[in-house]
Amino acid sequence: KQEVTQIPAALSVPEGENLVLNCSFTDSAIYNLQWFRQDPGKGLTSLLLIQSSQREQTSGRLNASLDKSSGRSTLYIAASQPGDSATYLCAVALAGKSTFGDGTTLTVKP
Amino acid sequence: NAGVMQNPRHLVRRRGQEARLRCSPMKGHSHVYWYRQLPEEGLKFMVYLQKENIIDESGMPKERFSAEFPKEGPSILRIQQVVRGDSAAYFCASSPLQGGDEKLFFGSGTQLSVL
Repeated sequence: KQEVTQIPAALSVPEGENLVLNCSFTDSAIYNLQWFRQDPGKGLTSLLLIQSSQREQTSGRLNASLDKSSGRSTLYIAASQPGDSATYLCAVALAGKSTFGDGTTLTVKP
Repeated sequence: NAGVMQNPRHLVRRRGQEARLRCSPMKGHSHVYWYRQLPEEGLKFMVYLQKENIIDESGMPKERFSAEFPKEGPSILRIQQVVRGDSAAYFCASSPLQGGDEKLFFGSGTQLSVL
């Protein structure tokens, strides 16, 4: 059974800092790994998707890496802004079923 | 291109009533997924459907819950005889195809409150 763990559960940083969110999974047989952002009371917004054959993906200030063999992914956020405050979720997909971590709640203080 | 549409946004039911949650996938998407987010918990997979087919319902409770995705119209998640423990946010996602490029697009969710 796939299990996804995200560390830390919560993170508070001052504006402008670079930060790393971690995601680990127990079964390396995955199609892809996706990072999402969830704002309070809202749905999920896809940030980055990494195919199982890829090592990393970049979008703007975000960079996600994937090490499938060790079951790890990181989401790097550069020059954080207060608007980045949200819960960040990672999910691994296999055969139509995605397993989510419990998320990291990020607070960026002005 | 409208995103994944879920309605209602909020649904209040008394114990024992039925709840019907609707999801219209993005245009061109033929795969629909339902997830449940209980208070203070992460998202849990419930069911994966294609048009007129249930592909994987391993996350669905065995009783009172059912899902369908008919040839025409939205996908429906139906909960019969709701109990307080069913109170949660129910999210629908869609994707254009299955396989390595399975990017999920989520709706805004339906918040179900059972009194």
